[in-house]
Amino acid sequence: GQQLNQSPQSMFIQEGEDVSMNCTSSSIFNTWLWYKQDPGEGPVLLIALYKAGELTSNGRLTAQFGITRKDSFLNISASIPSDVGIYFCAGQSLNAGGTSYGKLTFGQGTILTVHP
Amino acid sequence: GAVVSQHPSWVICKSGTSVKIECRSLDFQATTMFWYRQFPKQSLMLMATSNEGSKATYEQGVEKDKFLINHASLTLSTLTVTSAHPEDSSFYICSAWTGNRQPQHFGDGTRLSIL
Repeated sequence: GQQLNQSPQSMFIQEGEDVSMNCTSSSIFNTWLWYKQDPGEGPVLLIALYKAGELTSNGRLTAQFGITRKDSFLNISASIPSDVGIYFCAGQSLNAGGTSYGKLTFGQGTILTVHP
Repeated sequence: GAVVSQHPSWVICKSGTSVKIECRSLDFQATTMFWYRQFPKQSLMLMATSNEGSKATYEQGVEKDKFLINHASLTLSTLTVTSAHPEDSSFYICSAWTGNRQPQHFGDGTRLSIL
């Protein structure tokens, strides 16, 4: 099925560094979501974006909904060891009636490793 | 809020056994629940969409007779892997959705190992 192009696939950084990852799509989405997944657990919602151009922060995390509605990025500032995990972007689109079936299209994930 | 409980968290069983996984939304009612399968270091793969009181919609390539889904209430959906074989070993994750533009909220997953 359709997938979002998420990059980078993996990152190895030092504690304290900033991190940036992004997702692009050939299709328009009406909602962009960013999740984090720790090993052996389910994804946890980090940030939800609902409007093109929207910039939203959640602590050290900042995400933006691209103006074309075909991309989004997530920044993590001053990384700490507990930021380790897999980060997924996900897009949700509306049907012709303007409502959503709720189905998400996921990116391939970015594996983040933080060295103390 | 928006807590989704998935049970069991892991299960090991013999080939040929059927295994049932439960997904419950604890503090909200879910219009729809989704079932995913995830292989190591890969993204989530949607298996089926489940609406309360109606038949589940399966994604292409997912055997509906193999993966039985029941959605008896707005807070409970179950996935039964029938006559499981080693190739069914995987990490299964459910999510619950309240509708419209709300995000999906995920359970903690079930690690299934078939010997």
